[in-house]
Amino acid sequence: QKEVEQNSGPLSVPEGAIASLNCTYSDRGSQSFFWYRQYSGKSPELIMSIYSNGDKEDGRFTAQLNKASQYVSLLIRDSQPSDSATYLCAVPEGGSEKLVFGKGTKLTVNP
Amino acid sequence: DTAVSQTPKYLVTQMGNDKSIKCEQNLGHDTMYWYKQDSKKFLKIMFSYNNKELIINETVPNRFSPKSPDKAHLNLHINSLELGDSAVYFCASSPGNFGYTFGSGTRLTVV
Repeated sequence: QKEVEQNSGPLSVPEGAIASLNCTYSDRGSQSFFWYRQYSGKSPELIMSIYSNGDKEDGRFTAQLNKASQYVSLLIRDSQPSDSATYLCAVPEGGSEKLVFGKGTKLTVNP
Repeated sequence: DTAVSQTPKYLVTQMGNDKSIKCEQNLGHDTMYWYKQDSKKFLKIMFSYNNKELIINETVPNRFSPKSPDKAHLNLHINSLELGDSAVYFCASSPGNFGYTFGSGTRLTVV
């Protein structure tokens, strides 16, 4: 199985700060990348997808992709306590219908 | 209406028992999945069906048997439950672009 690595954290930031979440993947042929958010005791929900090198912005969230370095990140600007959750990076395994998840980074935003 | 619904939400059972978890989606998606999330929050695929056909069958004990009577339903039957089967089991569906919609999960505790 292809690997998706994330720093498990926990990552703690003050309210209003920028939270930076990082992910590396092993399959150089990967073409699409996803960030899911999972609140404690809840199911994961898709918050961002990115397919091309560079940045993709959606509100306070920015996904950044660097295929040469096999690196994808998620920036959360103006972090709010409601952003406190585990963030899961996910990459499809090449040629299959399977989405491989990283182990997640737990983010805590302190008021 | 809940998009992906799983039942039951909680399941506590004794070792050696047989149990089933049911999943239904009303999104019209062709692909459905079973994922297992262990105590360390690692989310790992077990099975995937596309339009009632099994397309992913990961290395899981054959005590686990999925069944898809139609493309809107994917059930999971587990025989001879073991302590190590305790986890949260998530059903998910996708239109084929990896934008999964997860069910609320079934927390299985084997005692």
